[in-house]
Amino acid sequence: AQTVTQSQPEMSVQEAETVTLSCTYDTSESNYYLFWYKQPPSRQMILVIRQEAYKQQNATENRFSVNFQKAAKSFSLKISDSQLGDTAMYFCAFMRINTGTASKLTFGTGTRLQVTL
Amino acid sequence: DGGITQSPKYLFRKEGQNVTLSCEQNLNHDAMYWYRQDPGQGLRLIYYSQIVNDFQKGDIAEGYSVSREKKESFPLTVTSAQKNPTAFYLCAGKTGFYSNQPQHFGDGTRLSIL
Repeated sequence: AQTVTQSQPEMSVQEAETVTLSCTYDTSESNYYLFWYKQPPSRQMILVIRQEAYKQQNATENRFSVNFQKAAKSFSLKISDSQLGDTAMYFCAFMRINTGTASKLTFGTGTRLQVTL
Repeated sequence: DGGITQSPKYLFRKEGQNVTLSCEQNLNHDAMYWYRQDPGQGLRLIYYSQIVNDFQKGDIAEGYSVSREKKESFPLTVTSAQKNPTAFYLCAGKTGFYSNQPQHFGDGTRLSIL
């Protein structure tokens, strides 16, 4: 079974600064997808960014980028120029891609990010 | 507007009572999922469905039941057998069960015991 570990329960960053959230995972699969979801106080789950394991290039979405280290099974999220609206819980998630099995998501326990003035 | 709609936003259950959480989508999602979220924990999968009239147990299915009579609808019933139902429940959907598309979520339902 896959496991996803987020070792930072809480983090804080000042507005306009950069912060990196950590995620490690354990799997024997070679082909899979990784995601970062954001859950603001409204509790809605919003997709931030995704990474295909077969791609060596790190994904980027505006101020959000990842550092994907496949050998180390590490998938960190970097938020640049942090904004107050980035305050949220951030969840790392793993999805295996294997024909004939369910494409289910396995989530980490989350990192609560607080952006301050 | 297109999306996944969960209702009600808040729900209260009495002891021994079954309650049903609604999840409706108009995004033509093939697959739909129900998750439970507890404080300090990530989301845990309760049930999922690949197509109409088919559904499978997730990691924590005991005390829950679902149906998928229409593609657009995937209601979750929390039965009296679920002894600790207080949690936040999220419904999700995705297009193409085996595809690489991400899951999209509804706004959730908070269930509490009276």
